[in-house]
Amino acid sequence: DGGITQSPKYLFRKEGQNVTLSCEQNLNHDAMYWYRQDPGQGLRLIYYSQIVNDFQKGDIAEGYSVSREKKESFPLTVTSAQKNPTAFYLCASSIFVLDSSNNEKLFFGSGTQLSVL
Amino acid sequence: AQKITQTQPGMFVQEKEAVTLDCTYDTSDPSYGLFWYKQPSSGEMIFLIYQGSYDQQNATEGRYSLNFQKARKSANLVISASQLGDSAMYFCAMRAGYSSASKIIFGSGTRLSIRP
Repeated sequence: DGGITQSPKYLFRKEGQNVTLSCEQNLNHDAMYWYRQDPGQGLRLIYYSQIVNDFQKGDIAEGYSVSREKKESFPLTVTSAQKNPTAFYLCASSIFVLDSSNNEKLFFGSGTQLSVL
Repeated sequence: AQKITQTQPGMFVQEKEAVTLDCTYDTSDPSYGLFWYKQPSSGEMIFLIYQGSYDQQNATEGRYSLNFQKARKSANLVISASQLGDSAMYFCAMRAGYSSASKIIFGSGTRLSIRP
């Protein structure tokens, strides 16, 4: 079955530690996204990538880093510079459409809950 | 800059009634797409409906319809005949412009609770 796999489901970070959240998709999608969700809040965009070897900062990129070496994979690293990393992290992907006439759909993974020890 | 606004943090609706969830957006780009997603307590994001900026007709998907009023920059979600399983968070989202730098942003959400 095609889809997006995020791992791990739960992750704990110690003070000063970098941790990496995995996101893999087998949908052959060009575009991938990382969002952060705090309790009872909306989704805020961290980073996104439309093509391999290229990515753009979202609205809250500070303290995070990403790579896009393969089409299928878009890992997110939460660095020690992110002082408040506790949140639910959602990865998503979509086909790259050229205009709004294409019925676009953003597919999501099941999320990773990151907590600080 | 693009922006999505959902002004209803929470709503209570009686089962079987219709409900409208508000969403307004702001963009200067003439080409944009609007989405609605449902997030149950399990945390998964479920796609509901999409509306393109050039679509002449309002999008519909089963019990969901999108009331698209372009001049008012609003894209309200209408759920007909609400069910207990509709209780969830609902998010409006938008992609504005279609380039390698275009992104999809979300509103703050509306928590919908259906009363039996």
